[in-house]
Amino acid sequence: AQSVSQHNHHVILSEAASLELGCNYSYGGTVNLFWYVQYPGQHLQLLLKYFSGDPLVKGIKGFEAEFIKSKFSFNLRKPSVQWSDTAEYFCAVRDNAGNMLTFGGGTRLMVKP
Amino acid sequence: DGGITQSPKYLFRKEGQNVTLSCEQNLNHDAMYWYRQDPGQGLRLIYYSQIVNDFQKGDIAEGYSVSREKKESFPLTVTSAQKNPTAFYLCASSLQTPQGGTEAFFGQGTRLTVV
Repeated sequence: AQSVSQHNHHVILSEAASLELGCNYSYGGTVNLFWYVQYPGQHLQLLLKYFSGDPLVKGIKGFEAEFIKSKFSFNLRKPSVQWSDTAEYFCAVRDNAGNMLTFGGGTRLMVKP
Repeated sequence: DGGITQSPKYLFRKEGQNVTLSCEQNLNHDAMYWYRQDPGQGLRLIYYSQIVNDFQKGDIAEGYSVSREKKESFPLTVTSAQKNPTAFYLCASSLQTPQGGTEAFFGQGTRLTVV
């Protein structure tokens, strides 16, 4: 069975600091990769996705992620966070064969003004 | 407007009763999913379905049942066998294509409280 690990459960940063959230998955086949964000009291929203092609993908609100196949990783980055980035972030992996979509445990980010 | 509708938003049930959560989508998506979200545990997959009349167990299927009689509907029943049913339940759908498909789109969720 595939699994997704997000190593940081809670992250606290000051505004303008750089952000990197780790995501590793276990599945040997072809995958699609996603990062979702959940702002307090709101629905899950897609930040970015990787299906194929350039392993460096850019998403909304200045976020980007890099797919490193050899490391089974899809880390999320943002050069300079804002207070409005305070939210919970989820990494997700879908296997192309069975279409099973698995989420990581989430990382709760707090940005101090 | 196209989207995923979960109802009700809040649901209260007595312990020992079965309860069914509704999920409807008009996006013409093939795949549908049910997740349970608990604080600190992310989203855990309960069941998913790739096509009508077919579904697979996820990581925490025990105590739950589903059906997929129509493409647009994927109801989840929380049975009395589920030991800790109080949680936030999310339904999602995605389009499946030979190239892989789309991202998952989520409903607004149903918060189930068992008393």
